[in-house]
Amino acid sequence: NAGVTQTPKFRVLKTGQSMTLLCAQDMNHEYMYWYRQDPGMGLRLIHYSVGEGTTAKGEVPDGYNVSRLKKQNFLLGLESAAPSQTSVYFCASIGAHSGANVLTFGAGSRLTVL
Amino acid sequence: QQPVQSPQAVILREGEDAVINCSSSKALYSVHWYRQKHGEAPVFLMILLKGGEQMRHEKISASFNEKKQQSSLYLTASQLSYSGTYFCGTDQTGANNLFFGTGTRLTVIP
Repeated sequence: NAGVTQTPKFRVLKTGQSMTLLCAQDMNHEYMYWYRQDPGMGLRLIHYSVGEGTTAKGEVPDGYNVSRLKKQNFLLGLESAAPSQTSVYFCASIGAHSGANVLTFGAGSRLTVL
Repeated sequence: QQPVQSPQAVILREGEDAVINCSSSKALYSVHWYRQKHGEAPVFLMILLKGGEQMRHEKISASFNEKKQQSSLYLTASQLSYSGTYFCGTDQTGANNLFFGTGTRLTVIP
């Protein structure tokens, strides 16, 4: 049982390049999330999904797109990377824990845009 | 909508106690607490639900004052393993969308 797996763990991009971050969970969770973490800013929600085929915007969605074609996968895309998107990206899914819903995070993907 | 955490950082000696506060400007359905070690993912500690009881996780406990829209995390007799950054996440509606505070960096020294 791997939980939440993110790939890649590290990536360096040049400004204007595109890339996709993949998140996979094997816990049969309906809800999945993408957060970015920057120094002094905490975790900010980019996009989320409440089920296969659905996506919605979070706090900081600009410059990102997402897709949830399969229940277990949630993809985060950057069409034209900018230096402001240098960050650590965390995927999470939500599942029941002692009767309440809690987040399980992936290990993170560190992205640097030059 | 982001909750405010205080303090931003705290240094403790082993065995000392600490309190971390989380305050929201909006009414809350639940408050979550997570701990993140350097270079790792945040890990769930506990959740406090509206109308629920104070929670405990080993020597860490938390309270939730719904009227004041505040939660506090209490670390008692701190251990070296408590070092990390603590985040509160607030859910305003029960729709499972959490807004996180900027974190409190806790360092426990021998």
